[in-house]
Amino acid sequence: GQQVMQIPQYQHVQEGEDFTTYCNSSTTLSNIQWYKQRPGGHPVFLIQLVKSGEVKKQKRLTFQFGEAKKNSSLHITATQTTDVGTYFCAGHGDNNDMRFGAGTRLTVKP
Amino acid sequence: DAGVTQSPTHLIKTRGQHVTLRCSPISGHKSVSWYQQVLGQGPQFIFQYYEKEERGRGNFPDRFSARQFPNYSSELNVNALLLGDSALYLCASSQGRTQYFGPGTRLLVL
Repeated sequence: GQQVMQIPQYQHVQEGEDFTTYCNSSTTLSNIQWYKQRPGGHPVFLIQLVKSGEVKKQKRLTFQFGEAKKNSSLHITATQTTDVGTYFCAGHGDNNDMRFGAGTRLTVKP
Repeated sequence: DAGVTQSPTHLIKTRGQHVTLRCSPISGHKSVSWYQQVLGQGPQFIFQYYEKEERGRGNFPDRFSARQFPNYSSELNVNALLLGDSALYLCASSQGRTQYFGPGTRLLVL
């Protein structure tokens, strides 16, 4: 079955540094979504990418979808303490289910 | 408009018992999905319902069942609880493929 892998598992940065998390699927995805979950909270939808090679930006966040639609990345420029949380990628699988990666937990030191 | 609501927020059960979790989707959303999130991992897909019909099922045992009502609210039932069922159970409603998660029900099985 489809597997969605995410690296790194943890990332600790100094405030102002950049951060990137990578997502890889074992199969081609029809789309990929990114979510953010704050400690003690629930996943909150950030963005959906559909097209091969698509790049979308949300302020300091840049999302990319690979040409083969099997990988994606989220890059945060100049992290802030408000960026703390776990970032998940998720893609739709064969069974009409959404497969989440294990997430990258970001901590930011002020 | 209210977001996705779930009840109860917390629940403690003992092994072998049964539990029912409830979810009300965002008004106008006809699709509800259930996820199990174990601490430190990404959400794992359990079920998706659309217009009261099961549209997808994850890799969970038959002890897990769900249903959707005419008003699009949903219940997740888990029988013969095991210690390993302790987790955050998330409900998400969707219109299209964007999912909006509720706050979750935190279940502890002793």
